[in-house]
Amino acid sequence: DGGITQSPKYLFRKEGQNVTLSCEQNLNHDAMYWYRQDPGQGLRLIYYSQIVNDFQKGDIAEGYSVSREKKESFPLTVTSAQKNPTAFYLCASSTPSSGYTFGSGTRLTVV
Amino acid sequence: DAKTTQPPSMDCAEGRAANLPCNHSTISGNEYVYWYRQIHSQGPQYIIHGLKNNETNEMASLIITEDRKSSTLILPHATLRDTAVYYCIVRVEARAGNNRKLIWGLGTSLAVNP
Repeated sequence: DGGITQSPKYLFRKEGQNVTLSCEQNLNHDAMYWYRQDPGQGLRLIYYSQIVNDFQKGDIAEGYSVSREKKESFPLTVTSAQKNPTAFYLCASSTPSSGYTFGSGTRLTVV
Repeated sequence: DAKTTQPPSMDCAEGRAANLPCNHSTISGNEYVYWYRQIHSQGPQYIIHGLKNNETNEMASLIITEDRKSSTLILPHATLRDTAVYYCIVRVEARAGNNRKLIWGLGTSLAVNP
């Protein structure tokens, strides 16, 4: 079945460390997105990519980095510059004529 | 970018219809209304979308007013598994490319009670 796979489901990070969240899709979608969700809040866009080797900053890109070397993959790195990284991270993909398909999310906790 | 307004919470009895309202008074003529729902600690799930005509699928019905300034999502026979946060979103064009960047509000937390 086609879909989006995020891993790991839970991730713990020590302060000062960089961590990378994985997002893989086999839907053949051109566009991919990373969102952050805090308790009781809506989704906020971190980065998005329209095509391979291209990506743009969203509303809260500071402290994050991404790459899009393959159509299927859009990993997100949470760097030590992100001051408050504990959150639920969601990856999504879409085509121009479709809605979004979301992964099941990664919950990141800084310890 | 068009924004949406939804009530923060609603209750519904199991087996009854759940009617979730959404206001989008600044919607443009070519913007669609999308509905998603999010069960706790999962990714949002697409439900339905429409432009100006009413739409129905196996999950729900979408009623859009003639002036397109508001819409209602209808779950015809709510079950306990429909307890979730429901998001009404107006689709805006991305600054570049053909894909859309959606703007998410806080949604409506629907509690279906036995």
